[in-house]
Amino acid sequence: EVQLVESGGGLVQPGGSLRLSCAASGFTFSSYGMHWARQAPGKGLEYVSAIAGNGGRTYYANSVKGRFTISRDNSKNTLYLQMGSLRAEDMAVYYCARVGVTYGPYESWGQGTLVTVSS
Amino acid sequence: QSVLTQPPSVSGAPGQRVTISCTGSSSNIGAGYDVHWYQQLPGTAPQLLIYGNSNRPSGVPDRFSGSKSGTSASLAITGLQAEDEADYYCQSYDSSLSGRVFGGGTKLTVL
Repeated sequence: EVQLVESGGGLVQPGGSLRLSCAASGFTFSSYGMHWARQAPGKGLEYVSAIAGNGGRTYYANSVKGRFTISRDNSKNTLYLQMGSLRAEDMAVYYCARVGVTYGPYESWGQGTLVTVSS
Repeated sequence: QSVLTQPPSVSGAPGQRVTISCTGSSSNIGAGYDVHWYQQLPGTAPQLLIYGNSNRPSGVPDRFSGSKSGTSASLAITGLQAEDEADYYCQSYDSSLSGRVFGGGTKLTVL
């Protein structure tokens, strides 16, 4: 069974940093692209970032480019999102998701981890 | 403002049929990129409902169907059930933004 479990969320001050993790199990992690998406309280879904299976290519939404860094450790079956210069508008539940093929769907989602940006 | 446009809400009585539209442009749906649909039940993570415009993952009832034409796509739900009450999101890829895009979401209310 595919499982994605996010962690690392919490309260952070504006301008601060946070690193999210997504532990994967139940599939060959290195064979899949992985994405981060987020959902602000009471709002819709927003794509954040993506990384190829081998970690060789990374992609970012314009809203986080230059502030967030996506990475993965295939030996640990773990996806990361390093978030910096956090703003109030970054407050959201962050989900990791597995993608099987280019432009394919988010086949599996984690349960999400809440990031609160507030002083 | 979302790149893909969905109605904020739709409703229907049990047993009825409802459709949810997803309107894009020539840089996403109209460019030939697939549309995927997700169902988000209250307080839970989204789940894949329809992929590749019209395909259902195993376990999704055939009451759910998807279609795509031109710069738009639609999700149809027949035989509405109370358990279908949820938020529904469409998703595609946008070549101008070089990334995934979502619709703003549609809240389905079963009357």
